[in-house]
Amino acid sequence: GQNIDQPTEMTATEGAIVQINCTYQTSGFNGLFWYQQHAGEAPTFLSYNVLDGLEEKGRFSSFLSRSKGYSYLLLKELQMKDSASYLCATSGTYKYIFGTGTRLKVLA
Amino acid sequence: ETGVTQTPRHLVMGMTNKKSLKCEQHLGHNAMYWYKQSAKKPLELMFVYNFKEQTENNSVPSRFSPECPNSSHLFLHLHTLQPEDSALYLCASSQESRVSYEQYFGPGTRLTVT
Repeated sequence: GQNIDQPTEMTATEGAIVQINCTYQTSGFNGLFWYQQHAGEAPTFLSYNVLDGLEEKGRFSSFLSRSKGYSYLLLKELQMKDSASYLCATSGTYKYIFGTGTRLKVLA
Repeated sequence: ETGVTQTPRHLVMGMTNKKSLKCEQHLGHNAMYWYKQSAKKPLELMFVYNFKEQTENNSVPSRFSPECPNSSHLFLHLHTLQPEDSALYLCASSQESRVSYEQYFGPGTRLTVT
């Protein structure tokens, strides 16, 4: 079957670092995406990993281990505007599977 | 501006009504998608169109009927819906669906079925 697990909620302090984990089971794996979704808004693309390792993009980094079916999104120097849901999604031929999302609250 | 627009943004309809949701993308993409987003549930892929051809119907009830007249426009026709169909309906597009391109989402239509 196909399944994605990520924590429901996380809380962190402004300026801190937070890691959001995602584990997946999927057939025909063709990459892993992270999207950010602010309340009441559309999801927006953050990162894509298809090979093992770390991809860094400014304050955000994403890691993938295909053998372990595991990814994480690392957010550094947290800002209040980072309060949002973070969606992990895997892609295969013609099909995307999303996780339920992790709601991150950044506290002052 | 994500380049993907959806209308209407909010819709309230009775169970016997017929309505349509519209999506338009201005990004030159070839794949378009309909998703359903309910509270505390993952985004559920409903339909995928690649170069105007439907490539995925994710066991969606026939009361939802998609239409893709061209690569820029996507419709979701609704009839005899149930209250449990109340949700946010998101449209998305990508370069194409056969390889892993990022998806661009529209703002969604908040549907309430009474």
